[in-house]
Amino acid sequence: DGGITQSPKYLFRKEGQNVTLSCEQNLNHDAMYWYRQDPGQGLRLIYYSQIVNDFQKGDIAEGYSVSREKKESFPLTVTSAQKNPTAFYLCASSIDNRANYGYTFGSGTRLTVV
Amino acid sequence: AQSVTQLDSQVPVFEEAPVELRCNYSSSVSVYLFWYVQYPNQGLQLLLKYLSGSTLVKGINGFEAEFNKSQTSFHLRKPSVHISDTAEYFCAVTPGYSSASKIIFGSGTRLSIRP
Repeated sequence: DGGITQSPKYLFRKEGQNVTLSCEQNLNHDAMYWYRQDPGQGLRLIYYSQIVNDFQKGDIAEGYSVSREKKESFPLTVTSAQKNPTAFYLCASSIDNRANYGYTFGSGTRLTVV
Repeated sequence: AQSVTQLDSQVPVFEEAPVELRCNYSSSVSVYLFWYVQYPNQGLQLLLKYLSGSTLVKGINGFEAEFNKSQTSFHLRKPSVHISDTAEYFCAVTPGYSSASKIIFGSGTRLSIRP
């Protein structure tokens, strides 16, 4: 079955470390998105990519970086510049850069700073 | 720009009772509307969507929503809830007929079902 795979499910980061969250899709979708979810704050857009080798900042991009070298993959790096990275991170994709059909979501990665 | 307001952050109901989760949106253009459900520690799953046509939209798990353009609302309803409906529900909006757009999500409503 087609879908989005996020890994790992749980991730622990030490202060000052960079960590990378994986997101892979086999839906042949053009667009991919990264969201951060904190309790009571809904979903906040970090970065999105509408086509390979291109991506744009979302509402809270500071302290994060992404790449889109392949259509299937959109990894998110949480850098040491992100001062409060503990959160639930969700990756999503859509057929194209219009949102008519909605997004398909992965099952998320929970990142905790230790 | 579009925005979404979910009026209730938490809604407690008894099992087999009806429920309505409220959603209002703001937009100067026509919109597409969505409801998503999120079970604990999981991603979001599409419940239903309104693109055009009939204002009453039926989704999965017995949920339905009604688009009301004059009230700018898209409330989610279920006539009889089950324990398994315990989850967080997100209303979302995107501008219709746009060449490039993103979905804007509300802050979520946590539905808790009491036996």
